[in-house]
Amino acid sequence: EAGVTQFPSHSVIEKGQTVTLRCDPISGHDNLYWYRRVMGKEIKFLLHFVKESKQDESGMPNNRFLAERTGGTYSTLKVQPAELEDSGVYFCASSLLTGQNTEAFFGQGTRLTVV
Amino acid sequence: GEDVEQSLFLSVREGDSSVINCTYTDSSSTYLYWYKQEPGAGLQLLTYIFSNMDMKQDQRLTVLLNKKDKHLSLRIADTQTGDSAIYFCAERSGGYQKVTFGTGTKLQVIP
Repeated sequence: EAGVTQFPSHSVIEKGQTVTLRCDPISGHDNLYWYRRVMGKEIKFLLHFVKESKQDESGMPNNRFLAERTGGTYSTLKVQPAELEDSGVYFCASSLLTGQNTEAFFGQGTRLTVV
Repeated sequence: GEDVEQSLFLSVREGDSSVINCTYTDSSSTYLYWYKQEPGAGLQLLTYIFSNMDMKQDQRLTVLLNKKDKHLSLRIADTQTGDSAIYFCAERSGGYQKVTFGTGTKLQVIP
């Protein structure tokens, strides 16, 4: 069974450009999360989808970030316009809806570098 | 808000035991996790412990929880070179899906 997959694995863009990250969760997982790790710091929560609905977006840094999950399958995270401080590794995770301690499975992450 | 802290780096010799420590601030934490990230890979859940437990052992891994001091540790017995990775401590409050991670501890195993 395929795990959580993220595209691209690396992206280098110039400040002011737009980048779209994609996450394909494990099939059947209704919960989808986005996290970000800025260089050397903790992994921070960005937002949580349940199916196509945003359950919690309290971690989104500002309105330059837009996450979508149309149809409740894959999700995209768009950064527009990108700033230098947006550089980091963006992780996506998914889990089943049932159960309080259902394990979240993480993708390999997308390393974003804004220059 | 919640805060999880770890030391950034640990170096051990192959065959020795490694102990990675973590402190957290959220007294309502229900689940505490250890994740492992190998180079170029995603986060892999290693083990977890419920807050009503003091200890959990799983093969070479031992998790100790001191809830009073909000201190969590991960001991890896007979550390191997394949254990070299970044280890993240994380916590979650019951009924809430958001997981709060620490900064990660980079474990270097010297042959």
